[in-house]
Amino acid sequence: GAVVSQHPSWVICKSGTSVKIECRSLDFQATTMFWYRQFPKQSLMLMATSNEGSKATYEQGVEKDKFLINHASLTLSTLTVTSAHPEDSSFYICSAWDRVHGNTIYFGEGSWLTVV
Amino acid sequence: AQSVTQLDSQVPVFEEAPVELRCNYSSSVSVYLFWYVQYPNQGLQLLLKYLSGSTLVKGINGFEAEFNKSQTSFHLRKPSVHISDTAEYFCAVSGRTGNTPLVFGKGTRLSVMA
Repeated sequence: GAVVSQHPSWVICKSGTSVKIECRSLDFQATTMFWYRQFPKQSLMLMATSNEGSKATYEQGVEKDKFLINHASLTLSTLTVTSAHPEDSSFYICSAWDRVHGNTIYFGEGSWLTVV
Repeated sequence: AQSVTQLDSQVPVFEEAPVELRCNYSSSVSVYLFWYVQYPNQGLQLLLKYLSGSTLVKGINGFEAEFNKSQTSFHLRKPSVHISDTAEYFCAVSGRTGNTPLVFGKGTRLSVMA
């Protein structure tokens, strides 16, 4: 069945560096993907909507210059955390609708980011 | 816009007892409804979803949920829980049209005790 894959699953980076997380739809094309963040023992909060070929739409309070989103193809969206700080440490997860094969939304496995 | 309220942040229950995790939603449009489970340090696993049709939805691991439009609820139930059901459970809602994101509730921590 359709799958959304994220990479890397775990990443540790130093403060001030940037890290890129990839989200791929493996069996279907996704014109729109969604990025969420989850802090420990909290719920998933929508960060932004990634639109293929155009700018992402960010939720209120999410810094667009810090969380760069690129959706260059119908199967790949990337989230780059720029100048990372320890408070950016979180679980990041992406999702996408497959409206063709059963009208289902799929989530990636998630990416654990630790900034030291 | 949609919103989800999970009324209980924690639900402790003994093994083999029944459990109900409550979820209410708010939306100005027709919705799809979902329940996800998250085990410690893992991603989301879909338990069940309501898209249309029968309001009683059966999912994996013996869980079921009932969509009640008049009460705007989608409560999750299991007749007999196991220790392995201990996890965080999230209710989520989305609009039916276009590419709309899921909006999650704050989660309910189910703790099953021996």
